[in-house]
Amino acid sequence: GAVVSQHPSWVICKSGTSVKIECRSLDFQATTMFWYRQFPKQSLMLMATSNEGSKATYEQGVEKDKFLINHASLTLSTLTVTSAHPEDSSFYICSASQDRGIDEAFFGQGTRLTVV
Amino acid sequence: DAKTTQPPSMDCAEGRAANLPCNHSTISGNEYVYWYRQIHSQGPQYIIHGLKNNETNEMASLIITEDRKSSTLILPHATLRDTAVYYCIAPVSFGNEKLTFGTGTRLTIIP
Repeated sequence: GAVVSQHPSWVICKSGTSVKIECRSLDFQATTMFWYRQFPKQSLMLMATSNEGSKATYEQGVEKDKFLINHASLTLSTLTVTSAHPEDSSFYICSASQDRGIDEAFFGQGTRLTVV
Repeated sequence: DAKTTQPPSMDCAEGRAANLPCNHSTISGNEYVYWYRQIHSQGPQYIIHGLKNNETNEMASLIITEDRKSSTLILPHATLRDTAVYYCIAPVSFGNEKLTFGTGTRLTIIP
């Protein structure tokens, strides 16, 4: 089946620094990818839709200047958490699909971000 | 997305069939029902989806009522590795568009 890979799996950074998370579709092209965030014991919350070759679409309440998304190719989207603070500590997950339609979404394994 | 309602938690004995219900009484005619699961500290995993007819694959079976207002995911022979949070989703757009995750059902398989 289709594979979506995230890197890194976990990262610890100091408060005020920036962290980049990569999401790759390994065996298919994805014009659209999605970024989710999950706090402990909560469900996944969609943050933004990453569109290849154009600006990302952010959900209400998500700061676009803090969470920078770049989708420069059909197989790679990156999420950069800028000036990270402890409250940004969370589990970040991306997803992608092979075709727009009824096919299922494939999720990355997630990235655990801890800001100290 | 159509609102879905699931029990917060369920237990099932290992080797038995796990039946997970989902209510989606406001679902419209063109909305599929999708099931995903999330094992602790991993990304969600697709299980199965359906529109009207019952569906079966190597992981599970999906039974959708005739009025489409509810469905049941069946794991025929649950193993300890099936312990996870199971999400029932009825996206208003196509299935691979952005998904709205509810709280899901935390299924615990008991040895």
